[in-house]
Amino acid sequence: DAKTTQPNSMESNEEEPVHLPCNHSTISGTDYIHWYRQLPSQGPEYVIHGLTSNVNNRMASLAIAEDRKSSTLILHRATLRDAAVYYCILRAGNSGTYKYIFGTGTRLKVLA
Amino acid sequence: NAGVTQTPKFQVLKTGQSMTLQCAQDMNHEYMSWYRQDPGMGLRLIHYSVGAGITDQGEVPNGYNVSRSTTEDFPLRLLSAAPSQTSVYFCASNGISGGKNNEQFFGPGTRLTVL
Repeated sequence: DAKTTQPNSMESNEEEPVHLPCNHSTISGTDYIHWYRQLPSQGPEYVIHGLTSNVNNRMASLAIAEDRKSSTLILHRATLRDAAVYYCILRAGNSGTYKYIFGTGTRLKVLA
Repeated sequence: NAGVTQTPKFQVLKTGQSMTLQCAQDMNHEYMSWYRQDPGMGLRLIHYSVGAGITDQGEVPNGYNVSRSTTEDFPLRLLSAAPSQTSVYFCASNGISGGKNNEQFFGPGTRLTVL
C-alpha cells in the first residue's frame, strides 16, 4: 500500500490561509488522494478528494502536483473551528481494494 | 437517514471476555470498515468489506473477527479481550459503485476499556 508523509503539526493565525502538505511519492496511477479531518473527540469527516486535477469545494481546495507525488490542502481562511488533525490518505481506485490507510496526520493549531 | 450508527458508546470488559461491537448504515453503501484509534494516534484499519459476504483484513486484524451478512450491518467481534485492545473503535461506510469514490462516513465511535 502506498504511504503518505505529513508534518506532525502546524500553526496558523485565524483568518489567514493554511497550506497543509502531503508527500506520496509511491502513489500509483489509480490512487485517489483523499483528505479527512478529525475534530477533538469526534470521528473523522471528509474534506476533499482528487485524482489529477486541482479541486475546490466549500471547505477547502486541493492542489495536486503534476507528477502526483505530493499534494496540498488549502484552507483559505482558517477559523478556530478548523483546529483538528488533518489526514492525507491514498485510496486505491481499482475494484476490490478500496481500503483507506490513515497515517498519523497533521495537527493544526489555529491561533486567535 | 441516520447515517452510520454504532453501539455501545462505551464499554468496559475484563480480560478474556468476548463482545461484539455493532455498526449499521442506512445509506446502502457497499464499503464498510472498522478502525481503532489509540490515544494520540491515527486510525488503523482492522477489517473491511466491499459487499455482503466479502470481508478482508486491514493493518491490525489479530484478535478481531468480522462478518457481513447484510449490506447494512458490519459487526466487529472481539474474541478474547486484552488490555492492548483498549481503544476507540470507529466504523465507516461509503459507496463504491457507479463511480462513487468520495465521502467516507464515520460513526460516533465506541470507547472500549479492557481491564
